[in-house]
Parts: sequence; C-alpha cells; structure tokens
Amino acid sequence: AQSVTQPDIHITVSEGASLELRCNYSYGATPYLFWYVQSPGQGLQLLLKYFSGDTLVQGIKGFEAEFKRSQSSFNLRKPSVHWSDAAEYFCAVYNNDMRFGAGTRLTVKP
Amino acid sequence: DGGITQSPKYLFRKEGQNVTLSCEQNLNHDAMYWYRQDPGQGLRLIYYSQIVNDFQKGDIAEGYSVSREKKESFPLTVTSAQKNPTAFYLCASTGTGKGMANGYTFGSGTRLTVV
Repeated sequence: AQSVTQPDIHITVSEGASLELRCNYSYGATPYLFWYVQSPGQGLQLLLKYFSGDTLVQGIKGFEAEFKRSQSSFNLRKPSVHWSDAAEYFCAVYNNDMRFGAGTRLTVKP
Repeated sequence: DGGITQSPKYLFRKEGQNVTLSCEQNLNHDAMYWYRQDPGQGLRLIYYSQIVNDFQKGDIAEGYSVSREKKESFPLTVTSAQKNPTAFYLCASTGTGKGMANGYTFGSGTRLTVV
C-alpha cells in the first residue's frame, strides 16, 4: 500500500538557521509530490509541488524541495528560517488518491 | 477571489446529536474531500466525491454521511453513530485530470467538540 513517512514529529531550529524536513514515500511509480503548511487552527496551504522534470523545485516563502528517486524522498528545505515559519508541515503524495504524512511541527527559537 | 469556505468555524455537539458541517467552493472543481485531523495522526480521509450525485467512502467513513447535490457544495454530517467526533475537520477540492496538477485547495476547517 502507498504510504508517506515524515520521520520527525517535532523539530526546533533557531531563527536564521537552515531547515530540512524529511519525507519518504513508498510507491511503485513516481507520484505527484506536494508539501503543505498549516498554521494553528487553519487549513493547509500549498508550498510547492513536483510532477516531473527538474528535481529541485522552488515554492513560496523561500522554500524548496528536492526529489530523489533513488531514495524515494522529497525533503523540504529553507536556507534561513524566520519566526513566522513556525507551523506544521505536511508532505503529501498523489497516485490515484492523496496520502498525507503525519506532519512535522516546526518550532523556531529566537 | 475563488476559494473554499467551511462553516461554522467552531461547532459543539451534544451526545446523540447529528450535526452538519458545511463546505462550499467557487473554484469550479469537480472533486471534493473531507478529512479528519487529530493531533499526531495527520489527515485521514472520510469521504470524497469526484462528480455530482456520486461519492465514495474513505478510510474512516463510519459514523459520517455526505451528499453532493451541487458541484459547489459537499456537506458532511457527523451522526450519533460516530463515538469520538471531537476533531478538526478539513474540506478540500481539486480539479480532475490535469486539474490535479495544482494540488488540493483547503478550507480553513471546522473544530467540532462534543459537550
């Protein structure tokens, strides 16, 4: 069965530090890949997506993600985290239906 | 602006009561979805609909019901058979086929609490 794994439940980084959130998936073929962000009590907002082509994709708010087929991974990165990036982040994979990871909660220290 | 609207934002249910959560979109999307979100469990699919007058059960449909009489609307009823309904409910929509390329658009959610 298809699945999406976000190994880190909670990550804390200092403001200005770099960030990498991990996402692994299990599918037979390359699915559509997404990262969403959720602020408390709100819906999910699309950060970026990958379907094909260049394996490094740019998104909103300075985020990027790299698709690595050999590792079945789609990790989210940001070079310098801002306090406003504190939120929950969800990786999602679409292959006939959308499956979400359990989420990674990001805390930003001043 | 096009978007997806969920109402109410907060909802309180008494034991044994049915309640209905509203979801309306003006994005001309064919497909609509209901998810339940509990802390540490991500999003779990309750029901989805890809066309008017048709819908399918998701992973946790027991105790819930839906209808899709109009393309714009996909209300979710939480019935008294749902024994643990306290959760955050999210509605989403998307185009089908190539429309899927934009991913899902989410509403801002309804927090349901049993009192």
